[in-house]
Amino acid sequence: DGGITQSPKYLFRKEGQNVTLSCEQNLNHDAMYWYRQDPGQGLRLIYYSQIVNDFQKGDIAEGYSVSREKKESFPLTVTSAQKNPTAFYLCASSISGAVGADTQYFGPGTRLTVL
Amino acid sequence: AQSVTQPDIHITVSEGASLELRCNYSYGATPYLFWYVQSPGQGLQLLLKYFSGDTLVQGIKGFEAEFKRSQSSFNLRKPSVHWSDAAEYFCAADYSSASKIIFGSGTRLSIRP
Repeated sequence: DGGITQSPKYLFRKEGQNVTLSCEQNLNHDAMYWYRQDPGQGLRLIYYSQIVNDFQKGDIAEGYSVSREKKESFPLTVTSAQKNPTAFYLCASSISGAVGADTQYFGPGTRLTVL
Repeated sequence: AQSVTQPDIHITVSEGASLELRCNYSYGATPYLFWYVQSPGQGLQLLLKYFSGDTLVQGIKGFEAEFKRSQSSFNLRKPSVHWSDAAEYFCAADYSSASKIIFGSGTRLSIRP
């Protein structure tokens, strides 16, 4: 089955630690995205990548980093610089990332809790 | 700034009743429009999308949405809801700028038995 997988489903981190969230897709999509979801705020874009070895900051990139070394993988690192990292993180992908008319498909999400 | 507004934070309807969830997008060029559904602790699933053409769009699970340019709206409807429709619903718009889709803040739907 084609789809997007995110791991782990639940993640706990101590303050001051970096943590990496995994996102893998086997849809052969060029574009991938990371969103953060907080209650009552919808989804906010952290980073996106339209092609391998290239990525751009979204609206709330501070305290996060990404890499796109392979087409199917787009890991997100939450660094200690992120002041309020507890949230639900969603990864998505789309065929091309071309401007307009491109549907995004979502993974099941990772819930990160900072202890 | 481009935006998507979902005016209702939480709606409760009785099982079997009709449903309408509201969505308004900011003025300007017509964006591409989407409705997604999210069950608790899960990712988002696409219900339907509007790119152009017929303003009444059919989606999965018996949902439909109507695009109204004059009202800058893209409301989601279902004639008869089922208990399994309880979830959070997100409207989204793609204004064709740097691959960024703008999401509304969501409407939580509860179903009364």
